[in-house]
Amino acid sequence: NAGVTQTPKFQVLKTGQSMTLQCAQDMNHEYMSWYRQDPGMGLRLIHYSVGAGITDQGEVPNGYNVSRSTTEDFPLRLLSAAPSQTSVYFCASRFRGQGAISTEAFFGQGTRLTVV
Amino acid sequence: GQQVMQIPQYQHVQEGEDFTTYCNSSTTLSNIQWYKQRPGGHPVFLIQLVKSGEVKKQKRLTFQFGEAKKNSSLHITATQTTDVGTYFCAASTNTGNQFYFGTGTSLTVIP
Repeated sequence: NAGVTQTPKFQVLKTGQSMTLQCAQDMNHEYMSWYRQDPGMGLRLIHYSVGAGITDQGEVPNGYNVSRSTTEDFPLRLLSAAPSQTSVYFCASRFRGQGAISTEAFFGQGTRLTVV
Repeated sequence: GQQVMQIPQYQHVQEGEDFTTYCNSSTTLSNIQWYKQRPGGHPVFLIQLVKSGEVKKQKRLTFQFGEAKKNSSLHITATQTTDVGTYFCAASTNTGNQFYFGTGTSLTVIP
């Protein structure tokens, strides 16, 4: 099992460029999420998905798009990169819990993105 | 969105001293999870608490969930250099569809 795989590990973009961060999991998890991590801000939820074909916004969705065409993949698209999107991005996946009870989340290794 | 406050933001301790981080919410939580992130690494799940007043132990780590399910704490006894990292709490929404992380406590252990 590879777990949660994110690519690339590092990326430098120019302002205005677009790109896609890839995330794949091989654990058959229903739920997948994208977080960004900035100093002093913890992990903030960007978008999440509770199953193939279903996505929803988190706390900080502006400037990002997602899609979930398969259970395994959950790419994050930056439409027009801005310096404020410089951050470390983490993808996470987990099984659906029972009711309001969550389950353990598994994180990818992260993508360190710099926008100049 | 749901807000989970975590204190302190930073903590420096001498090796062998104890360490505690606290997680507080203004609303009742259905459950709370704790994660550890080593420097340069990714968050790794430690534990989940579900019941009011629940206490769980993992070796030198003690996790508590408040009676009102609005707060939680992680206590490390006799810290070691291997405890270095950032500790996050995470609480789920009422539907359980998403969960929100606290701002984290960065622990430095001085040998």
